[in-house]
Amino acid sequence: AQSVTQLDSQVPVFEEAPVELRCNYSSSVSVYLFWYVQYPNQGLQLLLKYLSGSTLVESINGFEAEFNKSQTSFHLRKPSVHISDTAEYFCAVISPSYNTDKLIFGTGTRLQVFP
Amino acid sequence: GAGVSQTPSNKVTEKGKYVELRCDPISGHTALYWYRQSLGQGPEFLIYFQGTGAADDSGLPNDRFFAVRPEGSVSTLKIQRTERGDSAVYLCASSPRQGAYNEQFFGPGTRLTVL
Repeated sequence: AQSVTQLDSQVPVFEEAPVELRCNYSSSVSVYLFWYVQYPNQGLQLLLKYLSGSTLVESINGFEAEFNKSQTSFHLRKPSVHISDTAEYFCAVISPSYNTDKLIFGTGTRLQVFP
Repeated sequence: GAGVSQTPSNKVTEKGKYVELRCDPISGHTALYWYRQSLGQGPEFLIYFQGTGAADDSGLPNDRFFAVRPEGSVSTLKIQRTERGDSAVYLCASSPRQGAYNEQFFGPGTRLTVL
């Protein structure tokens, strides 16, 4: 069975500070990894994804995540956050080996950026 | 263009009643997914369709839950004999085609409250 762990339920940070949101997964087979973001009063949006190839993936708004197979992690980072980054962030996993498209989500991390 | 839409946005019902939740996917998307998000949790997979058929319904919690997509577009999630534990936000997503690597586009959700 697959699972995703997001240990930090809330991460408070000041504007322009760096941030890391942690994600660890458990799977006995290869996986695809995703970060979704949910801004206040909006639906889930894909932020970035790792399918294969380069282990470092980037989003258009300055976030990046690195796939680390040995540590089974896919932490999300941003060197300098903005107020507008305040949102809930969900890490998710799919295994293509299981012939299903169902996303397995973590419990989410609420990023609160203060001025 | 139009995104995934869900109706109603909010539904309040009494224990034991029957409810239907509707999802309109993005036009042309052949894959459609249902998830459930309880308070403080990440989305939990329920079922997904490829075209008119359910490709994976392993997440439906019991036989009170049923979903249909008769014409391969709009989908309805049906819950019989609702229980207080069914209270959650029900999310629908669609994707251009089946495949774990494809982005799932989420709707705003239907908040179901069972009194």
